[in-house]
Amino acid sequence: ETGVTQTPRHLVMGMTNKKSLKCEQHLGHNAMYWYKQSAKKPLELMFVYSLEERVENNSVPSRFSPECPNSSHLFLHLHTLQPEDSALYLCASSQGFGDGYTFGSGTRLTVV
Amino acid sequence: SQQGEEDPQALSIQEGENATMNCSYKTSINNLQWYRQNSGRGLVHLILIRSNEREKHSGRLRVTLDTSKKSSSLLITASRAADTASYFCATDPSYGKLTFGQGTILTVHP
Repeated sequence: ETGVTQTPRHLVMGMTNKKSLKCEQHLGHNAMYWYKQSAKKPLELMFVYSLEERVENNSVPSRFSPECPNSSHLFLHLHTLQPEDSALYLCASSQGFGDGYTFGSGTRLTVV
Repeated sequence: SQQGEEDPQALSIQEGENATMNCSYKTSINNLQWYRQNSGRGLVHLILIRSNEREKHSGRLRVTLDTSKKSSSLLITASRAADTASYFCATDPSYGKLTFGQGTILTVHP
């Protein structure tokens, strides 16, 4: 365990479903991130939170909705996804900007 | 947009040999980081080198940074089969926007 826990590990959802990905960190870090990793593509930064405030929304479609209720938890709410949204979704945290990131093991999402 | 690009895309070596991976980037950076990813898992932070540093060591890892050439290298000495993984460089041209390259797939044969 890295100190960053993601649930669920695997998720299969239909295009009309609504689901949420959860990330929890026990490291006392102040910043949290969502990344998307698709096959044959570099990791794509989706959202950045610093002290529970969203500081970056990297042109992500509105069908992805992040939530950061406190500095230890980060959610990614999903609705009406497309098959091309199938990917590994990775959560990470860092003490501050400019520090190394600690990643969770990811959620493998399949949209059918 | 992609900031760092690793070279080679794939590297296959025998156990005990050294592995060298290179990373080039386009804009000025605050720091450069290297990560490892085992198949389908999360990334593991290996080493961070700041823009005013030229070389850093951690165990069997040696990282160099040449800001004039906008390039970095990761050397793994005396490689082991357990080093088999994908290796990524990441740069932060702007704090909070760590940007990853496509990665180098390293295979170490026993």
